[in-house]
Amino acid sequence: RKEVEQDPGPFNVPEGATVAFNCTYSNSASQSFFWYRQDCRKEPKLLMSVYSSGNEDGRFTAQLNRASQYISLLIRDSKLSDSATYLCVVSHAGNNRKLIWGLGTSLAVNP
Amino acid sequence: DGGITQSPKYLFRKEGQNVTLSCEQNLNHDAMYWYRQDPGQGLRLIYYSQIVNDFQKGDIAEGYSVSREKKESFPLTVTSAQKNPTAFYLCASSILGGGAVREQYFGPGTRLTVT
Repeated sequence: RKEVEQDPGPFNVPEGATVAFNCTYSNSASQSFFWYRQDCRKEPKLLMSVYSSGNEDGRFTAQLNRASQYISLLIRDSKLSDSATYLCVVSHAGNNRKLIWGLGTSLAVNP
Repeated sequence: DGGITQSPKYLFRKEGQNVTLSCEQNLNHDAMYWYRQDPGQGLRLIYYSQIVNDFQKGDIAEGYSVSREKKESFPLTVTSAQKNPTAFYLCASSILGGGAVREQYFGPGTRLTVT
């Protein structure tokens, strides 16, 4: 089993739609969780950290479920500019200075 | 403007040559990282450094070397011993806080092609 698993997609949604991504992680000792977005042939950019209580930033909401070992990202009112690959990132359980990167979920928002 | 710079953006080399990729940050971050990304694969950690003059191997350090002589700079050398050097190389930095890893911020990357 991979340490961090994501549905690769692609998710094709119309503008204005709500879309949700899930990510599962294998090690219950992981402590830090993040969502990044990566545009084609560009560097990853931090979208948001994920906190135990859940957190929201504008149209984006992240949730953490430690019991089931998954994190989620909800995007409301999708924009064309949200088209990207979304990377789920989890801290390494054995070495808390390292991050484990998922392969990403591809999102295409269509007009 | 604070940020991370990597140069060059594209780099072409012949097999058997060593090449050094530059990474500079002015964010005053203590920690710096090097990753490579290949098509269809997640980011893989090559080396990281938490303090000047100290660095640790990541998951795929073979064929690479680094130095950390200044807090701002963390160059990566891809040696001729690296069997598959063609990849997208990403440098990142972060603060060190508490016991948990913090958010990492990336430079624009260097695309290395070795033929």
